[in-house]
Amino acid sequence: DAGITQSPRHKVTETGTPVTLRCHQTENHRYMYWYRQDPGHGLRLIHYSYGVKDTDKGEVSDGYSVSRSKTEDFLLTLESATSSQTSVYFCAISEFSGAVNYGYTFGSGTRLTVV
Amino acid sequence: RKEVEQDPGPFNVPEGATVAFNCTYSNSASQSFFWYRQDCRKEPKLLMSVYSSGNEDGRFTAQLNRASQYISLLIRDSKLSDSATYLCVVKINNAGNMLTFGGGTRLMVKP
Repeated sequence: DAGITQSPRHKVTETGTPVTLRCHQTENHRYMYWYRQDPGHGLRLIHYSYGVKDTDKGEVSDGYSVSRSKTEDFLLTLESATSSQTSVYFCAISEFSGAVNYGYTFGSGTRLTVV
Repeated sequence: RKEVEQDPGPFNVPEGATVAFNCTYSNSASQSFFWYRQDCRKEPKLLMSVYSSGNEDGRFTAQLNRASQYISLLIRDSKLSDSATYLCVVKINNAGNMLTFGGGTRLMVKP
């Protein structure tokens, strides 16, 4: 499997505090993504990156920011955590060559609880 | 209307049964298609890509019908270990190489 790790694996935080989740890859893939997964909603894209310092918003970006200062790291920050951000967060990486799409490889996820 | 729609199930089948899932997508510009498998409390993992000509991987067969905009997954000789949620995934033509996920179909294989 591709080398992709997320940290932390579990976190409990208080409402109003900032939280940063980290995604680290060793595959040198260009594309990285942050998703959240909630019952009844499936996987929803928060932000994605198509290169160092190149990021864009996804479907549910409000309340989140991202940074990618190196190819291997993609950080997701909850600026001021709210209970509605309690979720499982998945990072994914992909490579894309011409017309061929190789799909995503996901990290193991971060379970975040905001109390 | 969701871009990718699946019956959430659950599909409860006995071991050895054949089961089929369908998935419909709304954007006719969709380019690439996949089935992912997700076990409880785990990350999704790529099961197979779906090609226009259809493709088979052991007990799993995937079909694509572009005219009707649906994708299917057939599992033959179901095993207990096939119990999982199966996600239908579509790539729509976009610069970010982004995939759109269906809500998943849950399969439970019983002894």
